[in-house]
Amino acid sequence: GENVEQHPSTLSVQEGDSAVIKCTYSDSASNYFPWYKQELGKRPQLIIDIRSNVGEKKDQRIAVTLNKTAKHFSLHITETQPEDSAVYFCAVQGAGFQKLVFGTGTRLLVSP
Amino acid sequence: NAGVMQNPRHLVRRRGQEARLRCSPMKGHSHVYWYRQLPEEGLKFMVYLQKENIIDESGMPKERFSAEFPKEGPSILRIQQVVRGDSAAYFCASSPASQETQYFGPGTRLTVL
Repeated sequence: GENVEQHPSTLSVQEGDSAVIKCTYSDSASNYFPWYKQELGKRPQLIIDIRSNVGEKKDQRIAVTLNKTAKHFSLHITETQPEDSAVYFCAVQGAGFQKLVFGTGTRLLVSP
Repeated sequence: NAGVMQNPRHLVRRRGQEARLRCSPMKGHSHVYWYRQLPEEGLKFMVYLQKENIIDESGMPKERFSAEFPKEGPSILRIQQVVRGDSAAYFCASSPASQETQYFGPGTRLTVL
């Protein structure tokens, strides 16, 4: 089955810095890659997603890049703010499958 | 447009009791997914349902756990004879079709005493 690895597990940055979180996956047929943000005690919230026919997608301060050859995708957050502090999960959906396989999460702490 | 609804938000059960978790998908969504999140861990897929059908239950424990999504009413995840290891947050997600974006509910936090 699909295996998703996420790094780093924790990331501390200063406000205004950039943050990058990377995920690798095992199944080359996987075709959908969402990123979710989860604040303590809250639901996972979709922040950005990308499909396999696109290499990069950007939404204001957030971007996702996908390298299908290397089977990895990354979340980029620029000009970080304290309210970006949360746990971020990547996920992968395989072709023909509906379930999401999640990474283990990255705890991002943005210090003022 | 209301999002995915789950109830109860918190549920406390003693070992051996039954737990029933409910999920109402977003309006217009007919696909429901259940995930479990253990403390300090990621989300693990349990089951995927469409109305009146279980499509993929590959993540569901073989015993004590069952799920349904009837023609009318919410999807229900049922855990019989709960044990302490069942303590977790159970999240439901819904999507309008397969291979579409999944939106999560607020979760039910189950505590087994």
